[in-house]
Amino acid sequence: ETGVTQSPTHLIKTRGQQVTLRCSSQSGHNTVSWYQQALGQGPQFIFQYYREEENGRGNFPPRFSGLQFPNYSSELNVNALELDDSALYLCASSVDREGTQYFGPGTRLTVL
Amino acid sequence: QKEVEQNSGPLSVPEGAIASLNCTYSDRGSQSFFWYRQYSGKSPELIMFIYSNGDKEDGRFTAQLNKASQYVSLLIRDSQPSDSATYLCAVTGSGGGADGLTFGKGTHLIIQP
Repeated sequence: ETGVTQSPTHLIKTRGQQVTLRCSSQSGHNTVSWYQQALGQGPQFIFQYYREEENGRGNFPPRFSGLQFPNYSSELNVNALELDDSALYLCASSVDREGTQYFGPGTRLTVL
Repeated sequence: QKEVEQNSGPLSVPEGAIASLNCTYSDRGSQSFFWYRQYSGKSPELIMFIYSNGDKEDGRFTAQLNKASQYVSLLIRDSQPSDSATYLCAVTGSGGGADGLTFGKGTHLIIQP
């Protein structure tokens, strides 16, 4: 059974650019949730996708957007990058909307 | 504003002793409670989950939940140096999965050999 995978591992961008992060859910899971973890903080919920639809969203601006594909993999897109967007971006998959969430290894984004 | 509070530590415990980690939460509608372990530079790894009041044991780990006091704890028995990590408490909101998990800032645990 394959766990949650994310790509890329690390990414460096400059302010104002756009970025796309990718996540493949664990086998048998149809729900993906995205989190942002700043240094020294706990993860913060960005949004959740269930069967290709956004199921819920945290307190993040619209420049954070996402997609989920028919195979339940997902993308997180961030437009107009700001310095404060530098963080570890975590994807978690679950068997359904209410299921226990299992995290991927994360993508470390640095915005210069 | 849903909040989860944890003592940031560091909490230093001798090897072989019991480590006790605590967490309080503000949303009375929270239904599910989780403990994740996070090593430096790595992603969170699920340790325990608990849904009902009382204790739940899994190997060296025991999770305790008291919904009336809005309090969750994690006990680690026979602490090992490999248990040194940041422990994150997470709770679901009253909206369930649509609210995502709300995390505390984590408690940094150090097991002294």
